[in-house]
Amino acid sequence: KNQVEQSPQSLIILEGKNCTLQCNYTVSPFSNLRWYKQDTGRGPVSLTIMTFSENTKSNGRYTATLDADTKQSSLHITASQLSDSASYICVVSDLYNNNDMRFGAGTRLTVKP
Amino acid sequence: EAQVTQNPRYLITVTGKKLTVTCSQNMNHEYMSWYRQDPGLGLRQIYYSMNVEVTDKGDVPEGYKVSRKEKRNFPLILESPSPNQTSLYFCASSPTPRSWGTQGYTFGSGTRLTVV
Repeated sequence: KNQVEQSPQSLIILEGKNCTLQCNYTVSPFSNLRWYKQDTGRGPVSLTIMTFSENTKSNGRYTATLDADTKQSSLHITASQLSDSASYICVVSDLYNNNDMRFGAGTRLTVKP
Repeated sequence: EAQVTQNPRYLITVTGKKLTVTCSQNMNHEYMSWYRQDPGLGLRQIYYSMNVEVTDKGDVPEGYKVSRKEKRNFPLILESPSPNQTSLYFCASSPTPRSWGTQGYTFGSGTRLTVV
């Protein structure tokens, strides 16, 4: 079965620091990859979407990268803020199956003052 | 405001007592889906609906039922809840299943269900 693996499972950083979250996937054929932010007790909210031809996409302090050859993506957070504390979920879609979205288990990020 | 509304937010029930979790969206989306989220696991799809009167099983449909009689509503029904259905449930919607737009899927705020 197609899978999405995220690392690390959890991460604690100090406010103002940068961090990078990883997502490896085996979904094939690949359609697109999304990063979602999920605050505690809330539903996930889309941060960015990347298609096969895109290598880098930014959304404010969030920068996502994609290497479709190695099936890896990363989410880089710059100058972290306390409000960045959340779970970050990588979701990969299959090209031909309209309903096949594979969710990673997420990385729990805690930003401390 | 465009949103997906789930009710209730929290529910504690006993084994075997039928319950319904409601989900409503005000964006005229065709596609709606239910997920459960458990610690250490990614969101797993329970059921989805491509449009009115069109529903299909996801990855973990056992013990659940759904209906899509109108576009905006997609209730999740547990006919005889069991403790292994204790979980955090999310309803989501999108204009189409592929959701190419930057918004992605719109998720509800979640329903935390405990079955004792």
